[in-house]
Amino acid sequence: NAGVTQTPKFQVLKTGQSMTLQCAQDMNHEYMSWYRQDPGMGLRLIHYSVGAGITDQGEVPNGYNVSRSTTEDFPLRLLSAAPSQTSVYFCASSYGGGSYNEQFFGPGTRLTVL
Amino acid sequence: AQSVTQLGSHVSVSEGALVLLRCNYSSSVPPYLFWYVQYPNQGLQLLLKYTTGATLVKGINGFEAEFKKSETSFHLTKPSAHMSDAAEYFCAVSERSSGSARQLTFGSGTQLTVLP
Repeated sequence: NAGVTQTPKFQVLKTGQSMTLQCAQDMNHEYMSWYRQDPGMGLRLIHYSVGAGITDQGEVPNGYNVSRSTTEDFPLRLLSAAPSQTSVYFCASSYGGGSYNEQFFGPGTRLTVL
Repeated sequence: AQSVTQLGSHVSVSEGALVLLRCNYSSSVPPYLFWYVQYPNQGLQLLLKYTTGATLVKGINGFEAEFKKSETSFHLTKPSAHMSDAAEYFCAVSERSSGSARQLTFGSGTQLTVLP
C-alpha cells in the first residue's frame, strides 16, 4: 500500500493564482481531512470528509474548497492564493467510526505564495 | 471547546537522559488523547493513544504516556533518549461524543533536540 500520497511536494504561486493540491489514499478509509501547519501553531483543520459526497468545514476553511467524488481522492482547491496561505499542507485519512481512530498522514505539500 | 497546551516549544536532552514532554488539555469531558511525531520533512505518525482502560499507555520506540484525569495531563516520557528521537512531537485530542467527525485538535508542538 502507498498509504496517503500528496502532490505536488513543493509549489510556488503568485497572489491571485488558483491551484489544486491532490490527495489520495489506497486504504479504503472513509474519513479524510486537510490540515495546514504553521510555525508555533501546530496543525489546524481546514476541511474534512466523512465519506464520498460529504464534506464539511474545519477551523480555518476560508479561501479553500474541497470535494469528495470518490473514496480515494480528496483534492484541496485554493481559489485565489494569498500570502497568508503560505504554509505546509497535510492530508490525512482514518478508518471506521469513532474519534479514537489513528489518522494516517501524507508527506505534505509546501506552498509559498508570493 | 477543547484545547491543548504543550509546555515548552523546544526541549533539549542529552543522549541517554530522560525525555519528558508535557501536554495538558482543556475539555469538559476527558477526550481521546494522542501523541504524534513528525520527523524532518515528513508527515505525522502516531506514537500512542489513550482511549479507555489502563491510564499508562505504551507506544512505539520506547515512548509511553500517562493519562491523569485529576491533572488533565497526558505527558510523554522515554527513559533514555536516542539521537534518532530528535523530531517534533504533537499532543492532540478528539471528543468522545458519538457524533464526532473524528476531528483532532493539536497542540502547538515541542521540538526535541538530543545532544550527543
